[in-house]
Amino acid sequence: EVQLVESGGGLVQPGRSLRLSCAASGFTFGDYAMHWVRQAPGKGLEWVSGISWNSGSIGYADSVKGRFTISRDNAKNSLYLQMNSLRPEDTALYYCAKGRHLVLMDCFDPWGQGTLVTVSS
Amino acid sequence: QSALTQTPSASGSPGQSVTISCTGTSTNVGGYNHVSWYQQHPGKAPKLMIYEVNKRPSGVPDRFSGSKSGNTASLTVSGLQAEDEADYHCSSYAGSSWVFGGGTKLTVL
Repeated sequence: EVQLVESGGGLVQPGRSLRLSCAASGFTFGDYAMHWVRQAPGKGLEWVSGISWNSGSIGYADSVKGRFTISRDNAKNSLYLQMNSLRPEDTALYYCAKGRHLVLMDCFDPWGQGTLVTVSS
Repeated sequence: QSALTQTPSASGSPGQSVTISCTGTSTNVGGYNHVSWYQQHPGKAPKLMIYEVNKRPSGVPDRFSGSKSGNTASLTVSGLQAEDEADYHCSSYAGSSWVFGGGTKLTVL
């Protein structure tokens, strides 16, 4: 069974940093693209970033470009999101999602349960 | 404001069919056949229901179907059941990025 477990969320002040992690199991992690998708309280979903199987292709939403960095460690079956210069509008539940194939073009299946990031002073 | 436009709400009685639409542009929905739909129950993670416009993952009932015409994609739920009440989100590949709609709350009357 595929499992994705996010961690690293919490309360952080504006301008500070946070690093999210996603531990994957139940599949060959290095064979799939991975993504971060967030959902602000009571709002819709927003794709944040994605990374191809070998880290050769990476994409970011305009809202986080230059502030967030996605990375992966295939040896550790782990996905990361380094979030710098955090803003109140980054407050959301952050989901880790597995891509259906190697590249960014394919969709998200399945999703983890999410980790909550709250940016507030 | 979301990149894809969905009507905020839809409803139907048990056994009826409901169609939810998702309108984008030629740079996302109209330009790629990588349109997907996700079901989200309250407090739960989204679940993939349709991918590549009209394909169903294993385990998704055939009551769920997808289509696309131009810049608009649609999700049809036939034979509505109580457990179909949820939020539905559309998503499209947009060339090195992905965009979502604002979500549609489906109510089963």
